[in-house]
Amino acid sequence: EADIYQTPRYLVIGTGKKITLECSQTMGHDKMYWYQQDPGMELHLIHYSYGVNSTEKGDLSSESTVSRIRTEHFPLTLESARPSHTSQYLCASSGTTDTQYFGPGTRLTVL
Amino acid sequence: KNQVEQSPQSLIILEGKNCTLQCNYTVSPFSNLRWYKQDTGRGPVSLTIMTFSENTKSNGRYTATLDADTKQSSLHITASQLSDSASYICVVSDRGSTLGRLYFGRGTQLTVWP
Repeated sequence: EADIYQTPRYLVIGTGKKITLECSQTMGHDKMYWYQQDPGMELHLIHYSYGVNSTEKGDLSSESTVSRIRTEHFPLTLESARPSHTSQYLCASSGTTDTQYFGPGTRLTVL
Repeated sequence: KNQVEQSPQSLIILEGKNCTLQCNYTVSPFSNLRWYKQDTGRGPVSLTIMTFSENTKSNGRYTATLDADTKQSSLHITASQLSDSASYICVVSDRGSTLGRLYFGRGTQLTVWP
């Protein structure tokens, strides 16, 4: 069982609200990732980080932002949520190998 | 274009039966191929990882095969259980970038009925 945690697990919020999705891992992994996944579709990489103070955008354009101030913490923020942001958000981390360990995900619904 | 295609999209089998899931990929250069199991509402969990030189790898009732020449992989599940109901995702890694980019298939949704 991987030690990577995401909160909240479920979030229903109104349009225009600012939200932060939390992701923490206790494995000391340098690399962390955020993916977006719609039902029945593949995972799309939206952000990644090689380590503290390193953040990069992924393949799928996203209006979200991330920060990496501490090794174990990789929060994702949406300044103004919209219905198009409704999706499942998965956080992952990897260490010296490229095996990624995933958190349980946050299912976001924007009304 | 690097892609990972999985078939079938969904599959229903009876408990105790065997099944085989397919994965075709066009990712190049190729580093490794993983099969992940994703339970509903959860994150994916790695089942097997195979490199270029490996043809078969087992993890309990799960057996993965890889044909790097034809760029095909399969995941065989033996004596299925109700807990096998999940989405099975094929993931291919390249080494074309420093990130070691992962390419995800859309998954096969397996349902095991009692």
